[in-house]
Amino acid sequence: EVQLVESGGGLVQPGGSLRLSCAASGFTFSDYNMNWVRQAPGKGLEWVSHISGSSNNILYGDSVKGRFTISRDNAKNSLYLQMNSLRDEDTAVYYCARDRPRGYAFDYWGQGALVAVSS
Amino acid sequence: QSALTQPASVSGSPGQSITISCTGTSSDVGGYNYVSWYQQHPGKAPQLMIYAVTNRPSGVSNRFSGSKSGNTASLTISGLQAEDEADYYCNSYTSSNTWVFGGGTKLTVL
Repeated sequence: EVQLVESGGGLVQPGGSLRLSCAASGFTFSDYNMNWVRQAPGKGLEWVSHISGSSNNILYGDSVKGRFTISRDNAKNSLYLQMNSLRDEDTAVYYCARDRPRGYAFDYWGQGALVAVSS
Repeated sequence: QSALTQPASVSGSPGQSITISCTGTSSDVGGYNYVSWYQQHPGKAPQLMIYAVTNRPSGVSNRFSGSKSGNTASLTISGLQAEDEADYYCNSYTSSNTWVFGGGTKLTVL
C-alpha cells in the first residue's frame, strides 16, 4: 500500500525557516517524480514544486522560487521541502504528492502538514 | 501563471448529471492533454479522479468522466450520489514547465 506521511510543520515567525519531510513507503521511491502542493486555509490548491526521481529536474512555482528548495534522499525514501524567508501568505497545509508513472497527474497524496507563519 | 477558471459552485439532485468546467489558455489546458481532476472532501487530502483529460484511475467510479474542447476541460458526474458532495479541482501542465490548479468548485448534492 502506497503511503506518504508528512512531518515538520509548525508555527514560525515571518522571515523564519522550516523544513518539511515526507516519508514514502509501499512503492519504489526512486522510480517516481514527486511534488509539493499547498492549500491555504479555506482556499484552493496551489502547486509548489516538483522533483524527478533522480533529482536532475527540479521545478518551482513563481510564488516560492528563490525561497524554497525541494530535495529527496532515495536511500531514505524521503522527500523534503526547505522553506526560507517565510511570509504570512505561505501559511497553508502542505501535501506531498506522487506523480503518476507517466507523470502529469498526482496519484497519491499525504495527509498534509500545517505550516503557520505568524508573529 | 494565473489559476484556471472554474465555477465557484454547482449543485444537482441525486441521480442527475452535472458538469464542471475548467477554462485556461492555449498555454495550458488547450496546449496539452495533461488535464487532471481531483476530489477533496472536507479535512481530507485530494484524490485523483481523472488524468490525461479522459482517463480514470483504477477504483474510480465510471460515473466520473472527463473531456476537453479547445481551452476548456470538463468533468461530468452522472447518477449523482450524496457521497459526491465535495470540492473539485482541475489541474493542467503548462508551457512554463509548471502545473496550475483551478480555483475549485463546491458540489452540493441537494
